[in-house]
Parts: sequence; structure tokens; C-alpha cells
Amino acid sequence: AQSVTQLGSHVSVSEGALVLLRCNYSSSVPPYLFWYVQYPNQGLQLLLKYTSAATLVKGINGFEAEFKKSETSFHLTKPSAHMSDAAEYFCAVSDRTGNTGGFKTIFGAGTRLFVKA
Amino acid sequence: DSGVTQTPKHLITATGQRVTLRCSPRSGDLSVYWYQQSLDQGLQFLIQYYNGEERAKGNILERFSAQQFPDLHSELNLSSLELGDSALYFCASSVETGGRGELFFGEGSRLTVL
Repeated sequence: AQSVTQLGSHVSVSEGALVLLRCNYSSSVPPYLFWYVQYPNQGLQLLLKYTSAATLVKGINGFEAEFKKSETSFHLTKPSAHMSDAAEYFCAVSDRTGNTGGFKTIFGAGTRLFVKA
Repeated sequence: DSGVTQTPKHLITATGQRVTLRCSPRSGDLSVYWYQQSLDQGLQFLIQYYNGEERAKGNILERFSAQQFPDLHSELNLSSLELGDSALYFCASSVETGGRGELFFGEGSRLTVL
């Protein structure tokens, strides 16, 4: 079964600083990988996804992530943090289940990003 | 606005009771997923339906059941509720079942069991 590990439950950066949120996955097959963001009292929304095309994936709000097969990593970065980036970020992997043709998206534990003025 | 509608937004009930959470997916989406989010367990996949049929099952308790109706809305039934069932329950939908697609999440139903 595939799994996702997010390193660091909390990350704090200053406004304008680099954001780096770490995600490692385990997978026996090429994975579909995602980053989602959750703002307070809201559902999750997609930031970006990797589906075996380009290894550097660009998402919304200036975020990007690089798929590195050799490191089984899919870290999320943003060159310059903004106050509005404060939220919880989830890395996820899509995993086929059984023979019914269904997929389940497995989420990491999440990383809460704090942005200091 | 993701286009996914969940009701009720908040629900407070007592142990041993039964509740039903409702989800209307985005227009055109055939897949519906249910997730449970709690502080200690994180975001846990419960179950997936595609066009009325169960397609994938996760860590769903036997006290919980779900179904997807012909109009594609879905309901999650939680029975014999325990304190530990208090959580935020999310519904998500996608246009496909192939795993490559984006999940669109509703705003969740917050269940409090007293």
C-alpha cells in the first residue's frame, strides 16, 4: 500500500522567505501525487498535482513541487511567503484499491504553515 | 466555492444515537468520497462511490454505512455513536474514478458526540 510522510507538523517562516514543506511517499508503482491546502473552517483545495508528466509541477498561488523518484520525494516550495499562505498543507498519493477500479487518495498528517510579519 | 454541498454543517448529538450526513457532488461528477478528519487520526479515507456503486473502502467502521443515490448525491450514516466519532466529516467529488483527478471537497460536517 502506498503511504505519505510529511516531515514537520508545523513550519514557521517570515513573510518574504522561502517556503519548503517536505513530503516523502512510498510506492511500488509510479504514483499520482498531490498537494492540497486547507484554510480554517474550509475544505481542502488542490494546489497542484503530479501525474507522470513534467517532474516540476507548478500550482496556484506561486507554489510548485518537484517529483524526485530517486528520493521518493515531492516537496512543496514557494519562493516568497505571503501572510495569506498561512494554512494547513497536505501531501497526498492516489492508490488503487482491490479489483473494483476504485482509487483512494491517502493524505499525509499535514503541515501547518505559520507566516510571521 | 468547490460546488460540493454538505449538510448539516454542524451536528451535536448523544452517544448511542444515529445521524445521517448528506453530500451533493459537483455537477457532472460521478465519484463521491467520504473522509473523516480528527486531531488524532488526521484525514482518513472512509469510502468511495462511483455512479451508485461502491468502488473503494478504507477505514470505515461497521457502524458506518454510505450509499450513492441515482441523482448522485450521497449519504453517510453513522450509528451507535461514540465519543470518539466526534470529527469533521468531508465529502469530496471527482469527475472520474481513475485516481489522477482532483478531489473537490465540501466544507465538511462537524459532528460532536456528547
